[in-house]
Amino acid sequence: NAGVTQTPKFQVLKTGQSMTLQCAQDMNHEYMSWYRQDPGMGLRLIHYSVGAGITDQGEVPNGYNVSRSTTEDFPLRLLSAAPSQTSVYFCASSPGTGRGVDTEAFFGQGTRLTVV
Amino acid sequence: GDSVTQMEGPVTLSEEAFLTINCTYTATGYPSLFWYVQYPGEGLQLLLKATKADDKGSNKGFEATYRKETTSFHLEKGSVQVSDSAVYFCALSDLGGGYQKVTFGTGTKLQVIP
Repeated sequence: NAGVTQTPKFQVLKTGQSMTLQCAQDMNHEYMSWYRQDPGMGLRLIHYSVGAGITDQGEVPNGYNVSRSTTEDFPLRLLSAAPSQTSVYFCASSPGTGRGVDTEAFFGQGTRLTVV
Repeated sequence: GDSVTQMEGPVTLSEEAFLTINCTYTATGYPSLFWYVQYPGEGLQLLLKATKADDKGSNKGFEATYRKETTSFHLEKGSVQVSDSAVYFCALSDLGGGYQKVTFGTGTKLQVIP
């Protein structure tokens, strides 16, 4: 069982370049989300999705786009990378909002992004 | 809004020492509480959880009790091992706009030395 798979694991971008971080889950989870992890700031929610075709902004959405065309995939797009986006990015999924608040989140292994 | 406050690290302990990592929360509803652990180079994984007041979550020798009166969920372990070295995140899950919303603390790095 693969769980949540993120690619790539490492990436270096130049300022202004664009790229897509991939996230896929094979657990048929409704809820998927993207976080960034920065020293001293914990995990901050970028965007989330409660099902295919439905996305919404989190705490720090600026500079990022998402889409959810299938249950399995939730890519995160950086349209024009900036040094402030240097961070570790985590994708997470959980079974579904309809099951209440006690369901755990499953995390991918992260993507370490450096923007120079 | 919801918030989670954890003690700042890093915390350095000798093997077999007693561990406490403090966590307090603020929430408007009736949240579930979690501890996640992140080992070096990996994603977060669930360590334990508690879904209502006075519940105790436990796993791998770690324990935490959901204290509604003090809005706390402190993580404890009686005897830590070198393999427990990791970053620990306290989190709460609540309903926001009808959907599950998870709020994380800033994480506490634990280093256990032999």
